[in-house]
Amino acid sequence: SQQGEEDPQALSIQEGENATMNCSYKTSINNLQWYRQNSGRGLVHLILIRSNEREKHSGRLRVTLDTSKKSSSLLITASRAADTASYFCLNNAGNMLTFGGGTRLMVKP
Amino acid sequence: SQTIHQWPATLVQPVGSPLSLECTVEGTSNPNLYWYRQAAGRGLQLLFYSVGIGQISSEVPQNLSASRPQDRQFILSSKKLLLSDSGFYLCAWSVLAGGPTGELFFGEGSRLTVL
Repeated sequence: SQQGEEDPQALSIQEGENATMNCSYKTSINNLQWYRQNSGRGLVHLILIRSNEREKHSGRLRVTLDTSKKSSSLLITASRAADTASYFCLNNAGNMLTFGGGTRLMVKP
Repeated sequence: SQTIHQWPATLVQPVGSPLSLECTVEGTSNPNLYWYRQAAGRGLQLLFYSVGIGQISSEVPQNLSASRPQDRQFILSSKKLLLSDSGFYLCAWSVLAGGPTGELFFGEGSRLTVL
């Protein structure tokens, strides 16, 4: 089955710094999505980028997509302690919605 | 507005006992439904998905099963739990394939501990 892979697996930064997470996937996609999960909770959708888009912004979030490299990156600018969470990318290829392993982000105040 | 309910939130069960986790969606019709499992500190593993009543696709062979008796109800079951079934189970729904985004909406999860 498709499986995205995020790197790094864990990231620790100081408040105010930028956080960059990367995701790779193996098959073609309709779109790629990023989700956030606070510890012990369900996932919450952050942003979606379509296969024909290269960059998208939403508030402090910036997502890029490189379909030739089958990779995406999520940038969180001016991080806050409240951004501490796990972040997952999701390949959307029709009925199959498959997550990567996630990046655990810790933002220190 | 659409909501998704998942229960129980927490469950402690002995090895060999049965399991039933329920998930219901409100405010939408004909959704795609999904069961994911998440081991501690790990990513999400897709277990089952359903595109309609009685239509279940399994991604991982295991002692778990899923059923969709009604359009907005999705049930995860086991006849005999194993220790390896412990984990955080998440139900999710999305607009039926072909919809505008494929965005997933998650329940709050059910934490299962098998002893």
